Amino acid sequence: NAGVTQTPKFRILKIGQSMTLQCTQDMNHNYMYWYRQDPGMGLKLIYYSVGAGITDKGEVPNGYNVSRSTTEDFPLRLELAAPSQTSVYFCASALGAGDYGYTFGSGTRLTVV
Amino acid sequence: QKEVEQDPGPLSVPEGAIVSLNCTYSNSAFQYFMWYRQYSRKGPELLMYTYSSGNKEDGRFTAQVDKSSKYISLFIRDSQPSDSATYLCAMRETSGSRLTFGEGTQLTVNP
Repeated sequence: NAGVTQTPKFRILKIGQSMTLQCTQDMNHNYMYWYRQDPGMGLKLIYYSVGAGITDKGEVPNGYNVSRSTTEDFPLRLELAAPSQTSVYFCASALGAGDYGYTFGSGTRLTVV
Repeated sequence: QKEVEQDPGPLSVPEGAIVSLNCTYSNSAFQYFMWYRQYSRKGPELLMYTYSSGNKEDGRFTAQVDKSSKYISLFIRDSQPSDSATYLCAMRETSGSRLTFGEGTQLTVNP
């Protein structure tokens, strides 16, 4: 049981480049989330999804896009990367709204130079 | 004002000490409370969760919630070097699934 798998683990982007952060879960969880974690800032919600075909913005969605075509996958797209997007990105999932906690992936460490 | 306030530390204690980690919150709609542990360069993992005011114990860990004061705590007894990590509190309202996290407290337990 792999849980939540994120790829890549590390990436360096140049300003203006684009990339997709991949997130896959094999627990048949309906709810999925993308967070970014910056030093001293905690976890900030970027986007979330309550099921295939349904996505919604979190606290800090600007500069990002998501899609949810299947229950398993929830990719995060960065268009026109900026230094402010240098961060560690975590994907998480939960079975439903009543689930007490999330299962997190191991993160993608992104640097934009 | 942040909805959830957590002292970022760092906190350094000797092995065997009792550790107290705390969060305060301002949103009275928060009803579910969680503690996550995050080792360096890893994702957070759920450590404990609780709904009601009072104490919940799990081995060396005790989670305490005081809804009247909007204050939650995590106590670690007989702390071990393997407890060295960042501890994040998290909470959510009754409706919805979105968690609001504290910024985390970095704990080091010295052998």
